[in-house]
Amino acid sequence: QKEVEQNSGPLSVPEGAIASLNCTYSDRGSQSFFWYRQYSGKSPELIMSIYSNGDKEDGRFTAQLNKASQYVSLLIRDSQPSDSATYLCAGPGSQGNLIFGKGTKLSVKP
Amino acid sequence: KAGVTQTPRYLIKTRGQQVTLSCSPISGHRSVSWYQQTPGQGLQFLFEYFSETQRNKGNFPGRFSGRQFSNSRSEMNVSTLELGDSALYLCASSFLISGTGNTEAFFGQGTRLTVV
Repeated sequence: QKEVEQNSGPLSVPEGAIASLNCTYSDRGSQSFFWYRQYSGKSPELIMSIYSNGDKEDGRFTAQLNKASQYVSLLIRDSQPSDSATYLCAGPGSQGNLIFGKGTKLSVKP
Repeated sequence: KAGVTQTPRYLIKTRGQQVTLSCSPISGHRSVSWYQQTPGQGLQFLFEYFSETQRNKGNFPGRFSGRQFSNSRSEMNVSTLELGDSALYLCASSFLISGTGNTEAFFGQGTRLTVV
């Protein structure tokens, strides 16, 4: 059974700080991972995808994948109150689906 | 390009009734997946359709079913509703990224189902 695990938080950071969100996965053969952002009462929005070891940067967001440690992270630089949301980590399931962590709730304080 | 459209946005049903939810994927996307999201269980996979065929199925009872039409629109049906079926039902439209073998999934706004 493939699993994706996240620290549920909540994670609270001051405005302008770096928020670090982490995720571990059980299947060593998994190749692709995704970060979704979900605002309260809304649906998940894909914000980052990463397919190879190392870092991938997109604006204030950096996704990191470490296959040896089976670890995925998302860094949000210069955090803004509008970044306050639940962040979901997802990886490939065994049925062609995505499996999701339970999500980390991030709160950015002005 | 229009996103994934789900209808209706909200539904209130009584135990024992059945319900049908609809999803129109992003134009050109042929894969549609359905997920159930609850506070306790998080996001759980229901099933995936591709070219009108159910390609994968999660661990839900047979009361949950779906289908896909030739235009890729999909419907999900839940029969004999139970209180525990109250959840946000999400449809995801996926496409294969050319040359990578990877797919990316985009969610619709969801249908909030409340069973009373």
